[in-house]
Amino acid sequence: NAGVMQNPRHLVRRRGQEARLRCSPMKGHSHVYWYRQLPEEGLKFMVYLQKENIIDESGMPKERFSAEFPKEGPSILRIQQVVRGDSAAYFCASSPLTGTGGPYEQYFGPGTRLTVT
Amino acid sequence: GQQVMQIPQYQHVQEGEDFTTYCNSSTTLSNIQWYKQRPGGHPVFLIQLVKSGEVKKQKRLTFQFGEAKKNSSLHITATQTTDVGTYFCAGRTSGTYKYIFGTGTRLKVLA
Repeated sequence: NAGVMQNPRHLVRRRGQEARLRCSPMKGHSHVYWYRQLPEEGLKFMVYLQKENIIDESGMPKERFSAEFPKEGPSILRIQQVVRGDSAAYFCASSPLTGTGGPYEQYFGPGTRLTVT
Repeated sequence: GQQVMQIPQYQHVQEGEDFTTYCNSSTTLSNIQWYKQRPGGHPVFLIQLVKSGEVKKQKRLTFQFGEAKKNSSLHITATQTTDVGTYFCAGRTSGTYKYIFGTGTRLKVLA
């Protein structure tokens, strides 16, 4: 059973370019979290999605950032017109459907290290 | 907004010594999770606590959830070099799905 997959693992973008980060959850998991982590800091919640639905995006900057989790394919975190301050590690985590018997643990992917030059 | 603080921020111990990290939330939590992140790695789930006053043990690790469900602790007995990493708590309040991660405690174990 493959774990959570993220690609690319490392991404270098120039200021003003777009960054697209992908996350494939564990098999059978229908919920995805995205977090951002600056060096030597904790994880900051960005967005929580289930397939075809954004549940909570309260941690996402209002501009330039967007996330989706389509019916088919991976979840995508998109950062438009990147700036140096966007440089960070972005982790996604997948979780089984919450509800009866939940909440459940989060399984983290290896992360995408974004560097903006 | 909700804040989750952890103390200490850093802890260096000699191998074999005990270690404790404390997690304090500004709001009452529905549940709390603990994660370990090795340097350069990703967070790995350790445990989840849901009930007030709950205590769970995993070998040398003991996790506790406070009676008021606003604080938690992780205690490691007789640390080993494999315990090195940063330990995070993550709390969720009722009616929400998002987890607020604590500031983390970085543990170094000296052989």
